[in-house]
Amino acid sequence: SQQGEEDPQALSIQEGENATMNCSYKTSINNLQWYRQNSGRGLVHLILIRSNEREKHSGRLRVTLDTSKKSSSLLITASRAADTASYFCATGYSNTGKLIFGQGTTLQVKP
Amino acid sequence: GAVVSQHPSWVICKSGTSVKIECRSLDFQATTMFWYRQFPKQSLMLMATSNEGSKATYEQGVEKDKFLINHASLTLSTLTVTSAHPEDSSFYICSVNTGGMGNEQFFGPGTRLTVL
Repeated sequence: SQQGEEDPQALSIQEGENATMNCSYKTSINNLQWYRQNSGRGLVHLILIRSNEREKHSGRLRVTLDTSKKSSSLLITASRAADTASYFCATGYSNTGKLIFGQGTTLQVKP
Repeated sequence: GAVVSQHPSWVICKSGTSVKIECRSLDFQATTMFWYRQFPKQSLMLMATSNEGSKATYEQGVEKDKFLINHASLTLSTLTVTSAHPEDSSFYICSVNTGGMGNEQFFGPGTRLTVL
């Protein structure tokens, strides 16, 4: 079953703007991961944030995690047309290694 | 990270036939792989955990006799969709669990199955 809910479901912005996607989950986790998927393709791992971390950066990506609210956000700064894709959060569990995916956010960046 | 391949990348078959999809970990010895299914415009749904040398663990609602998983080596897991029907048409994706505290997973490019 799916654990995470993401919002918005779809987001359309202009190139250069920032994009923020949110993910909420229900049960305690070991880590939370963000992935990108271009249409009809496999998934690309973006960032992993552990349950004892609050914020991580990678290039133009910034991820926050609030375990008290069971939520995470992904911020893409200075977006580019190439960032157009679907973005998924996935919650990870240490005992099984499983990932449970959220519903995803479809991001369109207009040139 | 791990490099993961899948074969075939797409397959079209007639209803009632069986289709085998391969997932290979090219540069990592994977004791655990995962199989997911993704319907159009939807998220990934975990189907099963593939364990090297032992039986796969299936998620609730996934028929183990219909989706046969074999993980005979540390670099290869196969998913066989038996007696496929049009409702099995989907995008099947595997991933390799590289272990560690983060359990970071690396995904294959996916296999598009169309059952006529």
